Amino acid sequence: NAGVTQTPKFQVLKTGQSMTLQCAQDMNHNSMYWYRQDPGMGLRLIYYSASEGTTDKGEVPNGYNVSRLNKREFSLRLESAAPSQTSVYFCASSELGSSYNEQFFGPGTRLTVL
Amino acid sequence: AQRVTQPEKLLSVFKGAPVELKCNYSYSGSPELFWYVQYSRQRLQLLLRHISRESIKGFTADLNKGETSFHLKKPFAQEEDSAMYYCALSSASKIIFGSGTRLSIRP
Repeated sequence: NAGVTQTPKFQVLKTGQSMTLQCAQDMNHNSMYWYRQDPGMGLRLIYYSASEGTTDKGEVPNGYNVSRLNKREFSLRLESAAPSQTSVYFCASSELGSSYNEQFFGPGTRLTVL
Repeated sequence: AQRVTQPEKLLSVFKGAPVELKCNYSYSGSPELFWYVQYSRQRLQLLLRHISRESIKGFTADLNKGETSFHLKKPFAQEEDSAMYYCALSSASKIIFGSGTRLSIRP
């Protein structure tokens, strides 16, 4: 099992460009998440999908949109990238309702917006 | 409001010294708390969870509801413990992370 995979690993954008970050999991988890990681700010939740067909805003949703394409895939879209969106983006999945609620993380996407 | 606070951005200790990474939380109800770790060039991964009351890699964490704390402790630090550590709180359908503490072990 690959676990949680993310593409691309690195991306450089110019201000105003758009892009989609892809995430897929093969653990049959119901819940998926997108975080951004910034120095001194830790991990901040952008959007999450508790189950297929639902999405909800997290702590920092502005400037982003998400799509839960199916149970496996959860994409994050930047419609008009801004330098403030330079960050490392992590996707995660979990099986909520279990005793442990452990989140499994992808390897991350390092995004730079010039 | 539900919140996780890690007051130290950086903690540097000598090899063999005790380690304590602080975590405080605010949550109405019975919290589920975790410690996650991110080693250099590796994915973020679960280290331990309070309900298991386990010791992983020599680390332990005790939930203190009176002080609303979940500090991570290890009696003797090892160089391979150098990493970024996040305290986290499970809330409804999501997990709230603290801002993280970078632990650096000096030889």
